Amino acid sequence: GQQVMQIPQYQHVQEGEDFTTYCNSSTTLSNIQWYKQRPGGHPVFLIQLVKSGEVKKQKRLTFQFGEAKKNSSLHITATQTTDVGTYFCAGVRAVAAGNKLTFGGGTRVLVKP
Amino acid sequence: ETGVTQSPTHLIKTRGQQVTLRCSSQSGHNTVSWYQQALGQGPQFIFQYYREEENGRGNFPPRFSGLQFPNYSSELNVNALELDDSALYLCASSPGGQVSYEKLFFGSGTQLSVL
Repeated sequence: GQQVMQIPQYQHVQEGEDFTTYCNSSTTLSNIQWYKQRPGGHPVFLIQLVKSGEVKKQKRLTFQFGEAKKNSSLHITATQTTDVGTYFCAGVRAVAAGNKLTFGGGTRVLVKP
Repeated sequence: ETGVTQSPTHLIKTRGQQVTLRCSSQSGHNTVSWYQQALGQGPQFIFQYYREEENGRGNFPPRFSGLQFPNYSSELNVNALELDDSALYLCASSPGGQVSYEKLFFGSGTQLSVL
């Protein structure tokens, strides 16, 4: 079945630094979504990417969808303590079965002040 | 706040018991998806309901079953509980159902502990 992998599993970042988290799918995706889950909370939608090579920005967050539509990345600049949480990517296969989103294992971000 | 509400928030059961979790979708949404999130892992798709019909299922055994009602609220039922069923169960609603491009609005979840 489809697998979505995220690296790194943990990211310890000094406040003010930049970092990138990566998402890789075993199959071609029709679209990819990113969610953020704060500790003790539930996933909250951040962005959706649909087109090959698409790049979208939300303030300090930059999201990219790979040309082959099998990978994606999230880059955060000037990390703040409010960025703490787990970032999940979730993909839908190009040949979707039941319209399900397959989530990756997440990147847990800890920010050192 | 997403407008998706789940009940109960916490639940403790013993092995072999049965449990029913409930979800009210956001106003205007006719699709509900259920996910299981074990500690430290990503949400795993259980199934999705669109206009009262199951619209896709993940790799979960038949003892996981569900319903969607005419008001689009939903239930998740788990029979013969096992220890590994201990997890956060998340309900998510979305506007339209047949399109896989919609974002999900998650509820706060039900934390189930099986002893």
